[in-house]
Amino acid sequence: QKEVEQDPGPLSVPEGAIVSLNCTYSNSAFQYFMWYRQYSRKGPELLMYTYSSGNKEDGRFTAQVDKSSKYISLFIRDSQPSDSATYLCAMSAANRDDKIIFGKGTRLHILP
Amino acid sequence: EPEVTQTPSHQVTQMGQEVILRCVPISNHLYFYWYRQILGQKVEFLVSFYNNEISEKSEIFDDQFSVERPDGSNFTLKIRSTKLEDSAMYFCASAADGNEKLFFGSGTQLSVL
Repeated sequence: QKEVEQDPGPLSVPEGAIVSLNCTYSNSAFQYFMWYRQYSRKGPELLMYTYSSGNKEDGRFTAQVDKSSKYISLFIRDSQPSDSATYLCAMSAANRDDKIIFGKGTRLHILP
Repeated sequence: EPEVTQTPSHQVTQMGQEVILRCVPISNHLYFYWYRQILGQKVEFLVSFYNNEISEKSEIFDDQFSVERPDGSNFTLKIRSTKLEDSAMYFCASAADGNEKLFFGSGTQLSVL
C-alpha cells in the first residue's frame, strides 16, 4: 500500500460548485497535514496546514482530517476558474526533521 | 512578500556532466529542502538540511548528489554526473521551523540529453 494515495483526476466541475478533494494514508505516525496548490510549471503553494484531527477553515477553503479513518479532505466553496490547478495533499510525522510526503495531486478544472 | 528564488529556471545538460542548481531561501528560515518532480509524477523528497548538515535524505539522493550552503544566503544542489533519469523539475523549499509550512521556489527544469 502506498504511503499517501490521491486520485489524480482530472476533476471537472462548473463554476460555483463545491469541490471535494481527498487523500488517504497508511502511516499512523502522520500528525501534520497540508494541502498545496500547484499551477502549471510552478512550485507548490501552501493552502492549508493542520495538526492532528479536526477541521480548519480559511475563506472558501475547509480542510478536514479524520485520523481514525486515515482520511483527509479539502473543500472549496463557490469555486472559481482561478481555482483550476493541481491540488497536492501532503503530510509528515511528529518528529521535527521528518520529511513531508506528497500525494500525486488531483488536477482540478473549474468550468466557467 | 518574501519568496524562495531558484536559478536557472531551465538547465539543459549532456549526460555525464555536472550541474549545480541554485536556491536562495527566505532569509530568516532555518530548514532547507530539495524536492523533485518528474513530469506527470508526484513531488518526491530528496534531502533536508538544517544547522549546516543533512538531516534526512531519500533513496534517490545517492552519492551523485550533494548539497551545500556556501554562504548565509545560497543553498545549492549538485548532481555530479547526470543521468537521463535525472531529468525533472527540481524544487527548493525552506521553512522557519521543521514540520512547519514549507515555501517552495518556482523550480529548475533540468533536461539531461
